[in-house]
Amino acid sequence: AAGVIQSPRHLIKEKRETATLKCYPIPRHDTVYWYQQGPGQDPQFLISFYEKMQSDKGSIPDRFSAQQFSDYHSELNMSSLELGDSALYFCASSLLPGRKNTGELFFGEGSRLTVL
Amino acid sequence: GNSVTQMEGPVTLSEEAFLTINCTYTATGYPSLFWYVQYPGEGLQLLLKATKADDKGSNKGFEATYRKETTSFHLEKGSVQVSDSAVYFCALSSSGGSYIPTFGRGTSLIVHP
Repeated sequence: AAGVIQSPRHLIKEKRETATLKCYPIPRHDTVYWYQQGPGQDPQFLISFYEKMQSDKGSIPDRFSAQQFSDYHSELNMSSLELGDSALYFCASSLLPGRKNTGELFFGEGSRLTVL
Repeated sequence: GNSVTQMEGPVTLSEEAFLTINCTYTATGYPSLFWYVQYPGEGLQLLLKATKADDKGSNKGFEATYRKETTSFHLEKGSVQVSDSAVYFCALSSSGGSYIPTFGRGTSLIVHP
């Protein structure tokens, strides 16, 4: 079965550079989520999209932005990178919670960002 | 707001030992509860879930019962294997949090042969 696809899997950037992560959700899933997981930390919710519109916002820094495109893939753009942005970034997808989904998410394998 | 508290790890066990990982929660509304597992180098995968009080979720020998009276969802397995070594996350989702899952900090399980 198709899963959530994230790219790139690994990314190394310098401070103050920009980075873009991509996520391709499971077909027919209408909701995409982005999470940030620091070393030894729990995943922190950043932002989510439903039907290409931002639906919820978590602890996403102002330096970050995200969008969902017409083909439902999503991109997380990160600018003015800081050392503390080094983390594993997960994308997850689901059907809209509360309708046919009680909150179960399907996660990609993550994109590991290292800022030097 | 919603929150999840898990026991700190790492939990180190010998193969075939009994496993318990404690999880308690605070939530608005009527939450659904989940256990996710993260194997090294991989993303989170749903292990089991329970959507209402007294439900028991089970999968791959793991079980957890939704206890509303104690606001708990402890993960158990009768006999762990080396392949169970991973990080386990307790999570909840409720209408009070727009159904955005809230995760605990994760508990690392290490199983020795």
